[in-house]
Amino acid sequence: NAGVTQTPKFQVLKTGQSMTLQCAQDMNHEYMSWYRQDPGMGLRLIHYSVGAGITDQGEVPNGYNVSRSTTEDFPLRLLSAAPSQTSVYFCASSVPGTGGYGYTFGSGTRLTVV
Amino acid sequence: GDSVTQMEGPVTLSEEAFLTINCTYTATGYPSLFWYVQYPGEGLQLLLKATKADDKGSNKGFEATYRKETTSFHLEKGSVQVSDSAVYFCALSRAGNQFYFGTGTSLTVIP
Repeated sequence: NAGVTQTPKFQVLKTGQSMTLQCAQDMNHEYMSWYRQDPGMGLRLIHYSVGAGITDQGEVPNGYNVSRSTTEDFPLRLLSAAPSQTSVYFCASSVPGTGGYGYTFGSGTRLTVV
Repeated sequence: GDSVTQMEGPVTLSEEAFLTINCTYTATGYPSLFWYVQYPGEGLQLLLKATKADDKGSNKGFEATYRKETTSFHLEKGSVQVSDSAVYFCALSRAGNQFYFGTGTSLTVIP
């Protein structure tokens, strides 16, 4: 099915561990982004990409890295997990440049750091 | 900078009641406006959108009108159902795809 696929759905990490959240889309969308969702704070942009090889920081980039080697994939790396990174993470993609198409979201990754 | 403000929740309504969730925005130029819905345990889904002033977006009985004079995009539904229980997010975007989301409004509809 066309859409945005995120893996894993759930993950528990120990403080200091690293991991990669995977995101893949099959709609040939050039624009992709990562958000975290925390209670009472809505969605906050972590990193985004306007195309393969191009990434930029969002509102809350510290502690996260991204890369975009292909149009389809946009992984998010946690370098050294901290309890403050406990959150639900959403990947989203869109057609670039128009602002009018809206995002397609993945189903999310629920991350707990202990 | 650009921002979206939506009414605080949670909102609890009886089935068949009228729903309004307020959303106002701050932005330069002419953004596109959106409502997203998030059902429990799922990602956000686009509910409706409007891309220019006075446009009305509608879907599944929900409506919202882009009011530039009041910088608002309030979500309405005439008769809510239990299945409408979810969290609703207002958002704006301008060309370049940067999205700005409100903090979300939780709706619970009781039979």
